[in-house]
Amino acid sequence: GAGVSQTPSNKVTEKGKYVELRCDPISEHNRLYWYRQTLGQGPEFLIYFQGTGAADDSGLPNDRFFAVRPEGSVSTLKIQRTERGDSAVYLCASSPGGPKQFFGPGTRLTVL
Amino acid sequence: SQQGEEDPQALSIQEGENATMNCSYKTSINNLQWYRQNSGRGLVHLILIRSNEREKHSGRLRVTLDTSKKSSSLLITASRAADTASYFCATAGSNDYKLSFGAGTTVTVRA
Repeated sequence: GAGVSQTPSNKVTEKGKYVELRCDPISEHNRLYWYRQTLGQGPEFLIYFQGTGAADDSGLPNDRFFAVRPEGSVSTLKIQRTERGDSAVYLCASSPGGPKQFFGPGTRLTVL
Repeated sequence: SQQGEEDPQALSIQEGENATMNCSYKTSINNLQWYRQNSGRGLVHLILIRSNEREKHSGRLRVTLDTSKKSSSLLITASRAADTASYFCATAGSNDYKLSFGAGTTVTVRA
């Protein structure tokens, strides 16, 4: 079946704007994760969903970041009042349970 | 903050040679995984080793884990041009969902 997909693949926005990044996980996967990766670094954990609920949002950097998964499948990561430091590749992953995660291709966010 | 550190940061080898990279981590783990990333986009899971295992093989990959030294190594044998990528180790503690990645090793395989 299809893997994890993310849209858009690239997003350019201006400082102060609001953005939404979408993740479509593998259909039977209950767990969904968001990570952020900056140049030359590994991904950093942001948030983890089990079903519809955010089981762990300890990685969200501040209250400008919020994520939802209302029906337990598609998830949206929302960033308010974007700052240049938010520029990164945002990666989504899903899993059926257990430690192995399946990653999407990421959304490259550039804040000008 | 990142748990793991990979060594070396970059590695350039000839096709057919072996590539070895190392990962050190700081806190106790439940398992350690290796992922590959091409062109800075999606990661692909390569192999997982649990804290009670010492060595694991998958095709041309061999992973070792030394929990007393808090370190792991990934060996790619008989490298190919298609192995050119960045390789990351990721650790998980008791919360197996929360992966902590190192900064990665960039491997270039020359034809």
